[in-house]
Amino acid sequence: EAQVTQNPRYLITVTGKKLTVTCSQNMNHEYMSWYRQDPGLGLRQIYYSMNVEVTDKGDVPEGYKVSRKEKRNFPLILESPSPNQTSLYFCASSPGGTGGSLGGYTFGSGTRLTVV
Amino acid sequence: AQSVAQPEDQVNVAEGNPLTVKCTYSVSGNPYLFWYVQYPNRGLQFLLKYITGDNLVKGSYGFEAEFNKSQTSFHLKKPSALVSDSALYFCAVRDGMNRDDKIIFGKGTRLHILP
Repeated sequence: EAQVTQNPRYLITVTGKKLTVTCSQNMNHEYMSWYRQDPGLGLRQIYYSMNVEVTDKGDVPEGYKVSRKEKRNFPLILESPSPNQTSLYFCASSPGGTGGSLGGYTFGSGTRLTVV
Repeated sequence: AQSVAQPEDQVNVAEGNPLTVKCTYSVSGNPYLFWYVQYPNRGLQFLLKYITGDNLVKGSYGFEAEFNKSQTSFHLKKPSALVSDSALYFCAVRDGMNRDDKIIFGKGTRLHILP
């Protein structure tokens, strides 16, 4: 089954404790992206990657890091989480290229992160 | 720069009535437009898209959307609402002039279908 898999689904952590949210897709997609969803703000893009070793900042990159060493994986790293990073996080992928997103993004099921 | 607006935070519709969820957009080039739906505790699911051609686009679950270039709108519609349509709906746009794959999402409209 074609899918984007995120782990964990739920995570409660303390301020300053480094964490990683994993994202993996099995569709050989070139484009991957991380979003955070907050009430009243919709989906805001954190980082995206157009291919292996190619990453770029989205609209709200502060406090986050990403890497794209393999095509299928795009982990989101919070080096020192803070309470304002409490949110619902989504990973998405698409085939990429100028026509890639025209079929739509495939989203993971989300990771609900709470930083206390 | 591209942008998308969903003017209604919430829409309430009685079951069996037609529904409309509004979306307007702004792009520099030709717009590529999308609707996604999010059910509770789930990720976003692709509903339908407009790339080119017929202004009326049909998608999943009986939904359709009408592209109106003069009004820069892409409203989501369904002739007869079901209680199971209750969810959060996102409109999204990609500027055809952009070479990257970036899609901008609206803030979402929560649709309540009343039994």
